[in-house]
This record gives sequence, structure tokens and C-alpha cells, in this order.
Amino acid sequence: QSVLTQPPSASGTPGQRVTISCSGSDSNIGGNTVNWYQQLPGTAPKLLIHNNNQRPSGVPDRFSASKSGTSASLAISGLQSEDEADYYCAAWDDSLNGAVFGGGTQLTVL
Amino acid sequence: EVQLVQSGAEVKKPGESLRISCKASGYSFTNSWITWVRQMPGKGLEWMARIDPSDSYTQYSRSLQGHVTFSTDKSTSSAYLQWSSLKASDTAMYYCARQVRSSSSGFDFWGQGTLVTVSS
Repeated sequence: QSVLTQPPSASGTPGQRVTISCSGSDSNIGGNTVNWYQQLPGTAPKLLIHNNNQRPSGVPDRFSASKSGTSASLAISGLQSEDEADYYCAAWDDSLNGAVFGGGTQLTVL
Repeated sequence: EVQLVQSGAEVKKPGESLRISCKASGYSFTNSWITWVRQMPGKGLEWMARIDPSDSYTQYSRSLQGHVTFSTDKSTSSAYLQWSSLKASDTAMYYCARQVRSSSSGFDFWGQGTLVTVSS
């Protein structure tokens, strides 16, 4: 049972916009920034979004994210086949004094 | 270019000891934290610990309960994850990642992962 809650799966067709939610609590998302990671099959995770909504250099602007209260969401617009991956949200948890990840969302491009 | 290069896959028996490594390059090793993340087969990412290479101060996941040890060597810009007695449940992919010293930063560079298999 992950501290941050994500839907286990999401799907969309090429060109569509999909969103992935991440729900937490006051001790994690509510009081700290949220980061998002993309893990392509068989590879190491990659930082997709940091500081709630900032894209590292090289990440397409098709990827965006937001945070409100104790929830966050990742949006992918103009869905492409290469976006098929697992997506994880993460935040620091002040009660656990450690970082926590969501359980991950497997995105399928139909 | 920032790189984290991890040691190769390991196959061990229960009760054996093991140390895996993560060698950093392309940045000042002591200016950023090193985080370790576990991914059990077919499962999600799990934060294990964060270590400050400048003074080896480590923050652990409570679930580890002292089962593993984390360390760094500033002279070789390397971080280590060590077990004294492996269990079958330690079978997983282990990743190291860099985190810039900032409360809002993420894990911006990752190693390729080290697969540890523990089986009798």
C-alpha cells in the first residue's frame, strides 16, 4: 500500500490528452513539492517534472503538472506511442522523514 | 556530463553478504545527495534512503529496520549499499539517483540499476 495513491492504469489514443492523479496528505503533498518520474519498459526512471510543475531541460512541453492541496496531477497532451510507460509521483513526507512514491500508473497508448 | 554508473548484476544465496556500488562523475560529489530506490520484480518504486556524501548523514526508510547499510567514499565519488545477510525478499532492482540539495528538487540523474537476485 503506497503512501501516495495513483490509478494503476490509464490509456489514450494517439493525439489525445490524458491525466494521471496522485493523492496524498498534509504530511507529504500538502506540505512539500511533488515530482513526477517516467519509467519506460526495462529502463531506469527519468525525472519528468520537479517542483510541482517544472520541466527539466529536454522534457517536451506536452508534459505538464499541477498541485492543489493534497493532490497533484500529471497531464500528457498530444499522446504519442513513445509515451507508453509507467509514471510515478513522489514527494517528501515530513511524518515519515523520507520520500514516498505513488504506486505507479501504467499508461497504454491504444 | 553527469553520470551515475552502478555495479553489475549479482546472484547470491540467502545469508550471504553483498555490496553494490554507484560511481558518480560529472559533478561535485559532495554537493548533492545520493538516494537509493528499490524496485521489486513487477512492482513500483520504493525509496530506501538518502545519504549526504559530505558527512555520510543518512536518512533511512523505516521499513528497512537496519537490514542494510549505506555509505559513500569521497575519494572515489562512490556510494555503496551493503547487506550482511541477504534474504530472498531482497531480490530486486536497486537504483541510485542524485538529488540536488533543495527541498524542491527531484532525483534528476539515475544509475542504470543493479539487479540483485537472492536464491538458494
